[in-house]
Amino acid sequence: GQNIDQPTEMTATEGAIVQINCTYQTSGFNGLFWYQQHAGEAPTFLSYNVLDGLEEKGRFSSFLSRSKGYSYLLLKELQMKDSASYLCAVRGGSGGYNKLIFGAGTRLAVHP
Amino acid sequence: DGGITQSPKYLFRKEGQNVTLSCEQNLNHDAMYWYRQDPGQGLRLIYYSQIVNDFQKGDIAEGYSVSREKKESFPLTVTSAQKNPTAFYLCASSPRQGDNSPLHFGNGTRLTVT
Repeated sequence: GQNIDQPTEMTATEGAIVQINCTYQTSGFNGLFWYQQHAGEAPTFLSYNVLDGLEEKGRFSSFLSRSKGYSYLLLKELQMKDSASYLCAVRGGSGGYNKLIFGAGTRLAVHP
Repeated sequence: DGGITQSPKYLFRKEGQNVTLSCEQNLNHDAMYWYRQDPGQGLRLIYYSQIVNDFQKGDIAEGYSVSREKKESFPLTVTSAQKNPTAFYLCASSPRQGDNSPLHFGNGTRLTVT
């Protein structure tokens, strides 16, 4: 089957670093996306990984290991506005439609 | 600014009534999608369209219908056959279906059926 697992909730302190993990099992792999979603709002794109390794974008970095079916999103210098849900999504499958499968999201609460 | 507009933001309906959710994009994207988001679950794909006048069922299409008469517009109708319609509905688009372009999402419509 196809499955994506992420922790349901995490808490962290302002100014700290937090790592949100994502493991996946999919038939085929064509890339992994991370999105940020504030409550009641649209998910917004954060990062994309298709090759193994680390992609850095300012305070946010994303890592991928295809052999382990594993990714993480690293948030540095946490700010209160980083309190949101973080969605891991994998493009997998085969055939005419490259399906995008979403995890349930990790709700991050940043405290002063 | 280009983007995706969903309306209305909140929608209330009585059970047994059909309701149509609007989605318009001015990004000139070929592909459009409808997702449903429920607490504790990942986004689930209802329908997608790769091009005008063509659309395909996603994972949970039962009780829903769509049309794609114009490139900019992809309305979703929630019919009375949908057993559990109360949810947060998100419309999205991408330049083409299946490539590595990220999805652009609208701000969603929260539908409550009583």
